[in-house]
Amino acid sequence: GEDVEQSLFLSVREGDSSVINCTYTDSSSTYLYWYKQEPGAGLQLLTYIFSNMDMKQDQRLTVLLNKKDKHLSLRIADTQTGDSAIYFCAEILTGGGNKLTFGTGTQLKVEL
Amino acid sequence: ETGVTQTPRHLVMGMTNKKSLKCEQHLGHNAMYWYKQSAKKPLELMFVYSLEERVENNSVPSRFSPECPNSSHLFLHLHTLQPEDSALYLCASSQDWRGAGEQYFGPGTRLTVT
Repeated sequence: GEDVEQSLFLSVREGDSSVINCTYTDSSSTYLYWYKQEPGAGLQLLTYIFSNMDMKQDQRLTVLLNKKDKHLSLRIADTQTGDSAIYFCAEILTGGGNKLTFGTGTQLKVEL
Repeated sequence: ETGVTQTPRHLVMGMTNKKSLKCEQHLGHNAMYWYKQSAKKPLELMFVYSLEERVENNSVPSRFSPECPNSSHLFLHLHTLQPEDSALYLCASSQDWRGAGEQYFGPGTRLTVT
């Protein structure tokens, strides 16, 4: 079945790195995504990774994918207060159309 | 500004009311989506429209009725809702339904059913 899990809360100090983790159960994922939701706003796509890749780097963001363990992570380097938000991982399955299955979201709090 | 707007941003309605949520996308996309976001639960896909045709209906109760008059507009008509329907309703659009193109989200309508 489709199940995407994330821890609910993460707190880091400004300037440190944040690592947000996600596990999924369906091995037929084609794309995996990270979305950011700020208070009172919709979801904003941060980055994505294709299922045949292990890593993708985009400025301060690094995505790691371990297909064997069905584990996805998002590392934010030099975390800033503006990074405080809820982060969702999501997957699209093979042949499923553009149908995202989301995790529960991880609330990232950046403290001074 | 993501190019997807939703109105109203907040809505309080009684269980016997009828109201509608509106979504408009200015991106020239062919697919539009309704999601429900409840506290501490994953986003739930409710409906998908592709070129004004409904292609996905995820066992949503009939008290939610979508309408897509053209590829730029999507409505969600609400009637005789329950308190557990209180949530943030998000609209999204993407270039196409097939393929894995980015979905662009609106800011959502915060619905409270009293």
